[in-house]
Amino acid sequence: QKEVEQNSGPLSVPEGAIASLNCTYSDRGSQSFFWYRQYSGKSPELIMSIYSNGDKEDGRFTAQLNKASQYVSLLIRDSQPSDSATYLCAPEPPSGSRLTFGEGTQLTVNP
Amino acid sequence: EAGVAQSPRYKIIEKRQSVAFWCNPISGHATLYWYQQILGQGPKLLIQFQNNGVVDDSQLPKDRFSAERLKGVDSTLKIQPAKLEDSAVYLCASRPTPGQGGIGELFFGEGSRLTVL
Repeated sequence: QKEVEQNSGPLSVPEGAIASLNCTYSDRGSQSFFWYRQYSGKSPELIMSIYSNGDKEDGRFTAQLNKASQYVSLLIRDSQPSDSATYLCAPEPPSGSRLTFGEGTQLTVNP
Repeated sequence: EAGVAQSPRYKIIEKRQSVAFWCNPISGHATLYWYQQILGQGPKLLIQFQNNGVVDDSQLPKDRFSAERLKGVDSTLKIQPAKLEDSAVYLCASRPTPGQGGIGELFFGEGSRLTVL
């Protein structure tokens, strides 16, 4: 089983729609969860972090965490063409080492 | 605040040659990471330093890759000899020490793109 698995892409949504990105992880002890966005040819940048079960909202972005199911998701409401990028999920093990990224989900928002 | 600096940005070498990448993290960041990102894949952790000590190097191909972080600041990643499959972007990232504030995010440099011919 991979340490981090993300829904396979590419994912294509129309402008204004909700984009749903999913991630499962294998280490039950993971406490911190990060979503990074990576534009083509650029480095990853943090867009959301979540530590507790439930939802965390920041503008158009909502992260959802379910530790019992070892599942974390990212919802993007009112998707914009500028949201077109690859989204990387990164759960952090409790030891603080081996911050592992998933393979990423490529999102395209069509005008 | 200056970001993570990496050099060179681009490097083209032939297989079996050697190459070195340099990283200067954000001032005061104790943790430094080197990731390898092959086109179309997520970043793969090669090595993690805490100050000048190695925290994790389990995925570093030690027969050809080496890394050091002298004095707990700058870091160098070396590949010798390079193989075709080493063609990738090498990302350096740093992170503040827990308790220094922030939310634990990694700050990435612009990366060093390596092409092995």
